[in-house]
Amino acid sequence: NAGVTQTPKFRVLKTGQSMTLLCAQDMNHEYMYWYRQDPGMGLRLIHYSVGEGTTAKGEVPDGYNVSRLKKQNFLLGLESAAPSQTSVYFCASSYSTQPQHFGDGTRLSIL
Amino acid sequence: AQSVTQLGSHVSVSEGALVLLRCNYSSSVPPYLFWYVQYPNQGLQLLLKYTSAATLVKGINGFEAEFKKSETSFHLTKPSAHMSDAAEYFCAVRLDDKIIFGKGTRLHILP
Repeated sequence: NAGVTQTPKFRVLKTGQSMTLLCAQDMNHEYMYWYRQDPGMGLRLIHYSVGEGTTAKGEVPDGYNVSRLKKQNFLLGLESAAPSQTSVYFCASSYSTQPQHFGDGTRLSIL
Repeated sequence: AQSVTQLGSHVSVSEGALVLLRCNYSSSVPPYLFWYVQYPNQGLQLLLKYTSAATLVKGINGFEAEFKKSETSFHLTKPSAHMSDAAEYFCAVRLDDKIIFGKGTRLHILP
């Protein structure tokens, strides 16, 4: 069982570059989430999705876009990366009100 | 609005001693509450969840938490700490379709 898989695991970008983080889950979960984790800040919700074709904003959505074209995939995009977006990004998925399953994270550095 | 507050960003206990990690929530309705653990360079794993079935909830690795409505608390405990318990612990609450996390408590185990 793969669970939740995040790609890539590490990435270094220059300011202004764009990139897409991929999250894939094989548990047929309806709900998927993107978080960022920064020291002393816990996990903050960026965007989430309650089903294929739907997305919604979380606590810190600015500078990010998402798409959920297929139920098993949830993509997080940075159109123009900024140093403030240096962080560890986590994807999670769940059935509605059930606890979430997390991926192992993507470490992103913006120079 | 619901939120969680974790008291103490760092807690140190001796091996074999009681572990107590504090979490208080604010909610106008009975909440869904969770504790997660994060080991270095990994994603979050669910320790236990409260869903109103029982006030004392037992989780994995010998952890348990007690829901106290009068104190709006959901503190995590373990009778005897082990070196392998060293990690970061997050309290979380479900808010509609989202899960909101506390800022985390890093647990240090002293030999």
